[in-house]
Amino acid sequence: DTGVSQDPRHKITKRGQNVTFRCDPISEHNRLYWYRQTLGQGPEFLTYFQNEAQLEKSRLLSDRFSAERPKGSFSTLEIQRTEQGDSAMYLCASSSRTGETGELFFGEGSRLTVL
Amino acid sequence: AQKVTQAQTEISVVEKEDVTLDCVYETRDTTYYLFWYKQPPSGELVFLIRRNSFDEQNEISGRYSWNFQKSTSSFNFTITASQVVDSAVYFCALSDSNDYKLSFGAGTTVTVRA
Repeated sequence: DTGVSQDPRHKITKRGQNVTFRCDPISEHNRLYWYRQTLGQGPEFLTYFQNEAQLEKSRLLSDRFSAERPKGSFSTLEIQRTEQGDSAMYLCASSSRTGETGELFFGEGSRLTVL
Repeated sequence: AQKVTQAQTEISVVEKEDVTLDCVYETRDTTYYLFWYKQPPSGELVFLIRRNSFDEQNEISGRYSWNFQKSTSSFNFTITASQVVDSAVYFCALSDSNDYKLSFGAGTTVTVRA
């Protein structure tokens, strides 16, 4: 499978715990994006990387959220001291800077439930 | 700031009917891209179509067609002869030409009944 993969697919945690999600983009893609999607809403942009550089962070990304892409390949999104409002689907996408369409390729998402 | 509005929350049709999804966008950019994505129950967003701001030519791709009108900031999408497998949430999205960061609408749930 050469698509975007995310792990874990589902995570249930108690309020106050830390969680980490991993995203493996399509191998030749240098851009990686994180989105959050709550029930009945469209995905909301969180942050994106070009190679290992984090180029933009949304105001939605509070201090409890941190994302890394240490070697310009996979990325992690960590949420510290989770709150019930963090319950959502976290989507990762990748794209090629030189791609013709600007299309983002999405993974299947990591669903977080905070109890 | 960019904004995408999909006024239709849900649409239900019988198989073989045509379905048209509305999308209105706001942007200050002169160069931008418009997209339609499909999200089936499995959750993965699937790219359907893309149009850049300089090309208002409307096209047909298989059972999909779109109507892009800059004058009204609309980018409507039509599924012709719908099938049960078309049942999904459809999102309209907008990005600028630099970072391809997408701004999504709230989505329209399409249900195609056999």
